[in-house]
Amino acid sequence: QSALTQSASVSGSPGQSITISCTGTSSDVGRYKFVSWYQQHPGKAPQLIIYEVSNRPSGVSTRFSGSKSGNTASLTISGLQAEDEADYYCSSYTSNSTVTFGGGTKLTVL
Amino acid sequence: QVQLQESGPGLVKPSESLSLTCSVSGGSIISTSHYWGWIRQPPGKGLEWIGSIDYRGTSSYIPSLMSRVTISVDTSKNRFSLSLTSVTAADTAMYYCARQRIAVAGPFDRWGQGTLVTVSS
Repeated sequence: QSALTQSASVSGSPGQSITISCTGTSSDVGRYKFVSWYQQHPGKAPQLIIYEVSNRPSGVSTRFSGSKSGNTASLTISGLQAEDEADYYCSSYTSNSTVTFGGGTKLTVL
Repeated sequence: QVQLQESGPGLVKPSESLSLTCSVSGGSIISTSHYWGWIRQPPGKGLEWIGSIDYRGTSSYIPSLMSRVTISVDTSKNRFSLSLTSVTAADTAMYYCARQRIAVAGPFDRWGQGTLVTVSS
């Protein structure tokens, strides 16, 4: 079971928008709507910010949005704020009835 | 508001077994709308799903650990547990329990704070 591919790091200035990509295969991201995104601050547990590709749980800022095209899912954060600095992980359901995570992307707010 | 709390030894010797429990409060583990999962994170590394179970005991595991892992559920105590046998240093990680919405395909919408397990003699 291979992890989904994410860029190791991304950065942006306050107020800007950034996009984090998550590339899988036709057996996971490309096959199912069950793609989620998690935000993890240092020393904290991950927090769900996007589920089923583009849905936001109650309480999550509208600055977070998700999409998918083919085997690649994307998380966009608009109007970057200092508090957005964290690690971001994607996950997907797979054709083996398992869950796989991406390697994580570290977001730095300049 | 459902809360999850991991408990168990923080230090395990190589070749021995790791056992952790996740206690669920603020809601019942008996739910047709949820699965209950374990995820781990080695120091400085990414997340790895270990497996998930529903209240009836239907479980699913990551293939790479399937020969060593068992997840069980105790509905009378509103908790579920992880057992990992023959541990090595590679099993050193922060272990999180989490609630999974709907099924194994669903998102993890509630997480415990995590418990660090170190494998060392």
